[in-house]
Amino acid sequence: KAGVTQTPRYLIKTRGQQVTLSCSPISGHRSVSWYQQTPGQGLQFLFEYFSETQRNKGNFPGRFSGRQFSNSRSEMNVSTLELGDSALYLCASSLGDRGGTDTQYFGPGTRLTVL
Amino acid sequence: AQSVTQPDIHITVSEGASLELRCNYSYGATPYLFWYVQSPGQGLQLLLKYFSGDTLVQGIKGFEAEFKRSQSSFNLRKPSVHWSDAAEYFCAAKTSYDKVIFGPGTSLSVIP
Repeated sequence: KAGVTQTPRYLIKTRGQQVTLSCSPISGHRSVSWYQQTPGQGLQFLFEYFSETQRNKGNFPGRFSGRQFSNSRSEMNVSTLELGDSALYLCASSLGDRGGTDTQYFGPGTRLTVL
Repeated sequence: AQSVTQPDIHITVSEGASLELRCNYSYGATPYLFWYVQSPGQGLQLLLKYFSGDTLVQGIKGFEAEFKRSQSSFNLRKPSVHWSDAAEYFCAAKTSYDKVIFGPGTSLSVIP
């Protein structure tokens, strides 16, 4: 079974631009979560989508948004980029069961550099 | 507030030596627990997970972890470290209907 794929793997943008990152989950998985990873802040939860609906949200400004399509693929968008948005953005997919035993599997990440 | 702590920011061990990475959690009830490993520039790979039952959990790559309710700990161990184990290790926890909380990570260096 194919793993989680993220595109693109690397991105370079300038301040003020916007960017869209894509994540394709493992086949059969309905939940997609996004994380931002930086050396100073570690892994920070952005949001989770399940069946095209945002189910959980972290503490990020409204410039960070996402969506999920009917095939469970997800995109996240960052508008008006700031230097501090430079990070590794990780996507994780899971079945999405709410019982607690749900396990997340991660993609390789998208490295975003803002100049 | 719910939290996961990893007391050791960086650990260095010699190849062939044993390894223990510490993880403590603070939750109202016992959460589900996970260990992930991340190689430089890569995503996170699941090493093992604990949901219930036997408190000693076996994972991939020769790792195991022991859940101790009395100490709110879920420490990761490996009897003999290989140079390829050098990476960042993350402990994580979640409860039903809640998001996953990750610890800050422990960076492991292996001396040949």
